[in-house]
Amino acid sequence: SQTIHQWPATLVQPVGSPLSLECTVEGTSNPNLYWYRQAAGRGLQLLFYSVGIGQISSEVPQNLSASRPQDRQFILSSKKLLLSDSSFYLCAWSAKKSSGANVLTFGAGSRLTVL
Amino acid sequence: QQQVKQSPQSLIVQKGGISIINCAYENTAFDYFPWYQQFPGKGPALLIAIRPDVSEKKEGRFTISFNKSAKQFSLHIMDSQPGDSATYFCAATTMDSSYKLIFGSGTRLLVRP
Repeated sequence: SQTIHQWPATLVQPVGSPLSLECTVEGTSNPNLYWYRQAAGRGLQLLFYSVGIGQISSEVPQNLSASRPQDRQFILSSKKLLLSDSSFYLCAWSAKKSSGANVLTFGAGSRLTVL
Repeated sequence: QQQVKQSPQSLIVQKGGISIINCAYENTAFDYFPWYQQFPGKGPALLIAIRPDVSEKKEGRFTISFNKSAKQFSLHIMDSQPGDSATYFCAATTMDSSYKLIFGSGTRLLVRP
């Protein structure tokens, strides 16, 4: 069965420090991968998605970036964190389009607090 | 046109009651409408989903009603239980290869015992 791992679960970082959140998927190949952000009490905002290695699409301009160095690995990064980057970050995956409806499966999330 | 509008923002229901959450969309190209359930500190999980070729889908106590002409869909939770207390998100997408979900803003449901 497929599983998605996301870490770290919680992170407290000072303003101006770098960020690296990692996500890996097991039990599948060539998945679509996504990074979402969820502010407290708010909806889910799509930040980046990837349909393959090295292929990254950005949905929202910001000081975050994403990379996909391997088929099942997705990394969210920042060179210098801002206070406004404090949020709950969610990685997700889906299979490529098939005859049926695809399911978007989320990881457990990473809680980032920037002080 | 990419937005999905969800209401209410919060909902309190007594145990055994019916919880109703509504969503509306503008993009007529959307062809897949899932609902996600999220417990505090966890990632959202798919609850139930519907395609626009049917007007209703039921799974246990959860039912999606879909009105294509009005571009609206809703989630009904029958016999609501305290364990249903969570945040619910509606979403919409087109079934292309990137499968980007557009989420509603969420509804925080509290079911009182």
